[in-house]
Amino acid sequence: QVQLQESGPGLVKPSETLSLTCTVSGGSISSYYWSWIRQPAGKGLEWIGRIYTSGSTNYNPSLKSRVTMSVDTSKNQFSLNLSSVTAADTAVYYCARSPGDYSLDYWGQGTLVTVSS
Amino acid sequence: DIQMTQSPSSLSASVGDRVTITCRASQSISSYLDWYQQRPGKAPKLLIYAASSLQSGVPSRFSGSGSGTDFTLTISSLQPEDFATYYCQQSNSTPVVFGQGTKVEIK
Repeated sequence: QVQLQESGPGLVKPSETLSLTCTVSGGSISSYYWSWIRQPAGKGLEWIGRIYTSGSTNYNPSLKSRVTMSVDTSKNQFSLNLSSVTAADTAVYYCARSPGDYSLDYWGQGTLVTVSS
Repeated sequence: DIQMTQSPSSLSASVGDRVTITCRASQSISSYLDWYQQRPGKAPKLLIYAASSLQSGVPSRFSGSGSGTDFTLTISSLQPEDFATYYCQQSNSTPVVFGQGTKVEIK
């Protein structure tokens, strides 16, 4: 059974960079797309972007200037960096898997990141 | 970007009721439409992909239909564990966009 687990700081200061890692267990990270999605408290889901195991990426245009994703196949991990954060970036951040298209079939449990000084 | 609009935003229903949620895309997305269920405090769970295909392990009381711009999620007989928020998502192209969600509450 594939499992995903997000990790990273729960508190980030304004203007700094939010960094999260997703560790995949129970299966290989290879040959799949890996996405990041976020959800502010009480609101809907926003897709941040995705990365393929080759390193190719697709980012949401609304966040593209601040987002960088990377993948480390040797560790079965992929990562998200979101720069110049503000309070509007406070949300639960999820990582998820796509088997080939854009459907998201496995999700991590989510991690709350708060942007505050 | 393709916009996704769900209706209603919320509904109240009783156990055993048949429930229908609608999702409309701002342009044709063929059958590239997925449905997710999110219980409070939990990650979303894929229910339906490609508009009408049931994800493995999902009860058969869930079904999806539609193509082009108009889609429907139906729960044939609502169960206590189905009270949750449901999201549609277009999986046709990037950026991925979700509907605003439909909260199904107990009447």
